[in-house]
Parts: sequence; structure tokens; C-alpha cells
Amino acid sequence: RKEVEQDPGPFNVPEGATVAFNCTYSNSASQSFFWYRQDCRKEPKLLMSVYSSGNEDGRFTAQLNRASQYISLLIRDSKLSDSATYLCVVKERDNFNKFYFGSGTKLNVKP
Amino acid sequence: DAGVTQSPTHLIKTRGQQVTLRCSPKSGHDTVSWYQQALGQGPQFIFQYYEEEERQRGNFPDRFSGHQFPNYSSELNVNALLLGDSALYLCASSLQQRSYEQYFGPGTRLTVT
Repeated sequence: RKEVEQDPGPFNVPEGATVAFNCTYSNSASQSFFWYRQDCRKEPKLLMSVYSSGNEDGRFTAQLNRASQYISLLIRDSKLSDSATYLCVVKERDNFNKFYFGSGTKLNVKP
Repeated sequence: DAGVTQSPTHLIKTRGQQVTLRCSPKSGHDTVSWYQQALGQGPQFIFQYYEEEERQRGNFPDRFSGHQFPNYSSELNVNALLLGDSALYLCASSLQQRSYEQYFGPGTRLTVT
């Protein structure tokens, strides 16, 4: 079983739509959670950290459910520039420097 | 402020050969992690270097080895290349105390024929 699982998509949405991605992780000892964005043939870039209380950054909202070992990312008012692959990332408590990446969810925002 | 740099950008090797990839961390960073990203997959952790030592290692064979230099730059070496080693190799740098804040380089695309 993979440490981090994501729906690969693609999610095809019109501009202005709201879209949500989910991610599950297998190790209940996981400590830190992140969403990264990766554009085609580019390196991953940190989008946001995910806190237990949930957090928001502009149009982006991240939620963590430790009981269900589930992380989500909500994007409101989608822009064409949001088209990318979104990677869910988990860092485990005992391996404080080892990050586990999901395979990513591809988002295509259409005009 | 220079970000993470990697060289070369692209590389083609044949099976059985050896390859060395290079990474210079972001200015001020002391920790370098290496990842392998196969097509359509997320990055997979190979290992991490801090204070010139390998601190953590993922599920990669001993054919994958590395080094960190006193200036914090790092090399990834892969011996006895296999076709399955074809991937994008990403270097990420961070500060040891803020290891959750990683910055990735543009990667080296390795093709093994």
C-alpha cells in the first residue's frame, strides 16, 4: 500500500468553478502535511502547509482529518493559471526529514 | 538570491554506465535531499544529506549513493544504470531546523537507453 494516495484525475473544470482534491495517508504517526503544485516539466513548489485546524490562503483552503487520515484542498474561483498537478505530501514523525509524495492530481481549468 | 541549481539539465546514458548529478542548494541552506520522479508519479525520496553525512534514506538500492561537500553542495551517483532509472532527478534544499520548507531545483532528466 502506498504511503500517500491521490486520485490522478484529470479534473477538467471551467474558469470560476470550485474544485476539491482529496488525499489519504497510511501512517497514523504522520506529523506534517503539505500541498505542492507542479507545472508540466517543472519542479514542485510548496503551495501551502496543512494544519489541524484547517487553513486558508486566498482562494485555497486546506483541511486535515487525522481520524480518517485524510487531507483535502479546495480551490475556489478557478483560474486558467491554476492548471497544474497538485501533490499531496506527508512527513512522518519518526522520519522527520523524509517526505512522502502522492502521485498527484491533475487539474485542467478551461476557458 | 540564487535558488537551487542542478546540472546537467538533461543526460542520456546507456545501461550499465555510471552517472553523477550535481546540486547547489539555495543560499543559506544546509540540507540537501534527492528525489526520483518517474513519469506520471510523485517524487520518491532517495536520501538526505546534512553536515556531509547521509541522514535518511528511502527504499533505493546501494547503486544510489551521494555526497555532500563543505559548501553544502551535493552529488548523486548512480552505478550500473538500468532502464528503470530513467526519470527526473530532483534536488531539494532546506534548513535543518526548518526541514518542512523545501525548495526544489529544476531537476535533471536522465534517460537510460
